[in-house]
Amino acid sequence: SELKQPPSVSVSPGQTARITCSGDVLPTQYAYWYRQRPGQAPVILIYKDFERPSGIPERFSASTSGTTVTLTITEVQAEDEADYYCQSADNSGNFVFGSGTKITVL
Amino acid sequence: EVQLLESAGGLVQPGGSLRLSCVASGLTFSNEAMNWVRQAPGQGLEWVAMISGGGTSTFYADSVKGRFIISRDNSKNTLYLEMSSLRVEDTAIYYCAKREYQLGFDPWGPGTLVTVST
Repeated sequence: SELKQPPSVSVSPGQTARITCSGDVLPTQYAYWYRQRPGQAPVILIYKDFERPSGIPERFSASTSGTTVTLTITEVQAEDEADYYCQSADNSGNFVFGSGTKITVL
Repeated sequence: EVQLLESAGGLVQPGGSLRLSCVASGLTFSNEAMNWVRQAPGQGLEWVAMISGGGTSTFYADSVKGRFIISRDNSKNTLYLEMSSLRVEDTAIYYCAKREYQLGFDPWGPGTLVTVST
């Protein structure tokens, strides 16, 4: 199973960025979101479709609609420039990651 | 605070073998399922393998099945990945990561680079 993300999204500081992730498994499997800054390990932002771990700012939120899940980042800051990955599971229970989206803050 | 730290990777020839380890602290290690996730240079994330807390259940990505073995020593709080028949396409940063049921991969180790090349 495949999870498709746009390769890149550009956004100005203070604006809202939205990243989509599409896949046939998403109506039946939870989605997760991770941020990976250059040279660093990924960090979880969202679990179980829209839950936010402690320590993750409210600027990060997620929603689902059918085969598409969306990560929304409001009030974008320079520090949000990173790669973002969605993740779910295929019908065999194996974990799959999206192709990744690079957010560029203009 | 949970911390994970992978051992040094290295350079290995195609067809060769390498064992990675990941030492965990700040958690009851035997209670936690553990995973390996890799990232080829300039590429995205790929889940590699998972092992249950007790070590009795293991799961692998098709790309490594039959070549890699995930294991753990709960007395040493250590996770392993035994890699054999290595291919150039196995070149990647390898991360260990904890995963609780439905809570996602969290946290991740800093990663270790494995290079398969002549």
